[in-house]
Amino acid sequence: DVKVTQSSRYLVKRTGEKVFLECVQDMDHENMFWYRQDPGLGLRLIYFSYDVKMKEKGDIPEGYSVSREKKERFSLILESASTNQTSMYLCASSFARVRYEQYFGPGTRLTVT
Amino acid sequence: AQSVTQPDIHITVSEGASLELRCNYSYGATPYLFWYVQSPGQGLQLLLKYFSGDTLVQGIKGFEAEFKRSQSSFNLRKPSVHWSDAAEYFCAVTSYDKVIFGPGTSLSVIP
Repeated sequence: DVKVTQSSRYLVKRTGEKVFLECVQDMDHENMFWYRQDPGLGLRLIYFSYDVKMKEKGDIPEGYSVSREKKERFSLILESASTNQTSMYLCASSFARVRYEQYFGPGTRLTVT
Repeated sequence: AQSVTQPDIHITVSEGASLELRCNYSYGATPYLFWYVQSPGQGLQLLLKYFSGDTLVQGIKGFEAEFKRSQSSFNLRKPSVHWSDAAEYFCAVTSYDKVIFGPGTSLSVIP
């Protein structure tokens, strides 16, 4: 089975802190994605990566950056956390040839106070 | 712009009753369509997908969905709901190189 793991299930940070969310997949997937999930809004794509060191902006990249130094790992970075970034963050991965069939991690619930 | 709507924010059904969750999309061509389920505290799991061919697709956990091009719909159904089906359900559609998710429908199951 595909396994996508995220470094933390729950995280509490203060406004202005730099925050790192880590995601690791074990299926040799080329593509990796970061989504933000908010009630009533579904999932919104923040960034995605289709190869090591490659990244593309999604629909809501402002306030976020990403890093992909290894194929299996995709990090989401909040340079200076703000309260409006309090949310559930979901990582996903997929094969390049079936990029729409995504496998999700359990999510990280981030609270910024 | 492509979009996905799920008209029902929350649905409550009795265990053993049938279920239908609605999904409508806006897209210029025939898209790829998906249903995902998110159990409490978990990530999303793919229930089923439609790419082409037979418009009635079967998924895991006894779910099925029917693609109706004329209605731009992809409704999810299950003939008999189990208490473990209580979860959030998301419809999704491809949009060029991205997946667009609907807002979700929360399902509660009464014993």
